[in-house]
Amino acid sequence: GNSVTQMEGPVTLSEEAFLTINCTYTATGYPSLFWYVQYPGEGLQLLLKATKADDKGSNKGFEATYRKETTSFHLEKGSVQVSDSAVHFCALLSGNTPLVFGKGTRLSVIA
Amino acid sequence: GAVVSQHPSWVICKSGTSVKIECRSLDFQATTMFWYRQFPKQSLMLMATSNEGSKATYEQGVEKDKFLINHASLTLSTLTVTSAHPEDSSFYICSARDPSNEQFFGPGTRLTVL
Repeated sequence: GNSVTQMEGPVTLSEEAFLTINCTYTATGYPSLFWYVQYPGEGLQLLLKATKADDKGSNKGFEATYRKETTSFHLEKGSVQVSDSAVHFCALLSGNTPLVFGKGTRLSVIA
Repeated sequence: GAVVSQHPSWVICKSGTSVKIECRSLDFQATTMFWYRQFPKQSLMLMATSNEGSKATYEQGVEKDKFLINHASLTLSTLTVTSAHPEDSSFYICSARDPSNEQFFGPGTRLTVL
């Protein structure tokens, strides 16, 4: 079946540090890939997405590239801010099935 | 982007009572809605998929008689936790799929059962 594996946290970084959160997937067909962010006490917000191989999703300085050859969709940001502190979820969507989520990675950015 | 609302945002109830949570898609029609449960510091666990006008499809291990789901219209789905117990305390999140197949999430409802 479809699955998503992302690096376990927590990840603690200083402000302006470089961020990478790894995400790999297993899926049949050609899924769409997503990164969602959850701030404390809130629901999920879509951060970025990519719908086909080699697409790059970007938003708020975050980027992720859909790599079919390595089945990966790693999240990166060149300079994190304290306001980026949240739980980040990698997810995939294949056909009409529900989104499949990774376990989430908690990011804490300290000033 | 599309907006999904949930009500209430938090609820505290006594053990044995029932609690209803509403999920609405505010600016689009959602033929499919999803209910998730999230324990502290864990990922979202899909409970059920709800299609308008038909019975919900529950994931393995989710008691359909305990978690009643009704999807009466294209903009409203409800989750009723019947005879709630402390172990049902959790963060419940709904999601609605729009015609382009994208899923939008509600802000969540925190349920605390005393």
